[in-house]
Amino acid sequence: DVKVTQSSRYLVKRTGEKVFLECVQDMDHENMFWYRQDPGLGLRLIYFSYDVKMKEKGDIPEGYSVSREKKERFSLILESASTNQTSMYLCASSPALVGQWNQPQHFGDGTRLSIL
Amino acid sequence: RKEVEQDPGPFNVPEGATVAFNCTYSNSASQSFFWYRQDCRKEPRLLMSVYSSGNEDGRFTAQLNRASQYISLLIRDSKLSDSATYLCVVNHPGRAGYSTLTFGKGTMLLVSP
Repeated sequence: DVKVTQSSRYLVKRTGEKVFLECVQDMDHENMFWYRQDPGLGLRLIYFSYDVKMKEKGDIPEGYSVSREKKERFSLILESASTNQTSMYLCASSPALVGQWNQPQHFGDGTRLSIL
Repeated sequence: RKEVEQDPGPFNVPEGATVAFNCTYSNSASQSFFWYRQDCRKEPRLLMSVYSSGNEDGRFTAQLNRASQYISLLIRDSKLSDSATYLCVVNHPGRAGYSTLTFGKGTMLLVSP
């Protein structure tokens, strides 16, 4: 079974802090993703990576950055946390694309982040 | 613009009922289709992939209509444990070979005794 592990289930930080969310997968997947999920808005893609040291902006990258130094680890960074970044953050991984066919993504348990 | 539209529900059904969810997508170039389920305060989990010819997995049947850009999920003999939010997921081919998934906002199902 694929295991995607997020470093924290719950996190409380203050406005202006730099926040790191860590994600590790154990299935040697090429692709990793960061989403946030908010009531009424569904899952929204923040950043994704299809290879080590590679990153691409998703739909809502503003206020975030990412790092992928190793294949199994994908970090999400909130450069200066703001209250509108309070959300559920979900990391996912998947095998490489086959042409334009996506493989299913496997999610971590999520991190509930509150910015005060 | 990528869009995946679902009826948010909730669908309230008794145990043993058959229930169907529908989903429409806007990108005619989409190639990959999935249904996920998400329990309250949990992460989304893959329920099944959706293939062009339609596919079945036990009580669950998924169908794809490319001409109408429409996906469906049928659940037969509903169980209490089927209560969850069902997410329709469609890929969005992008530039330079990148392809991401777009998640619908989900349809909530409540199965009662």
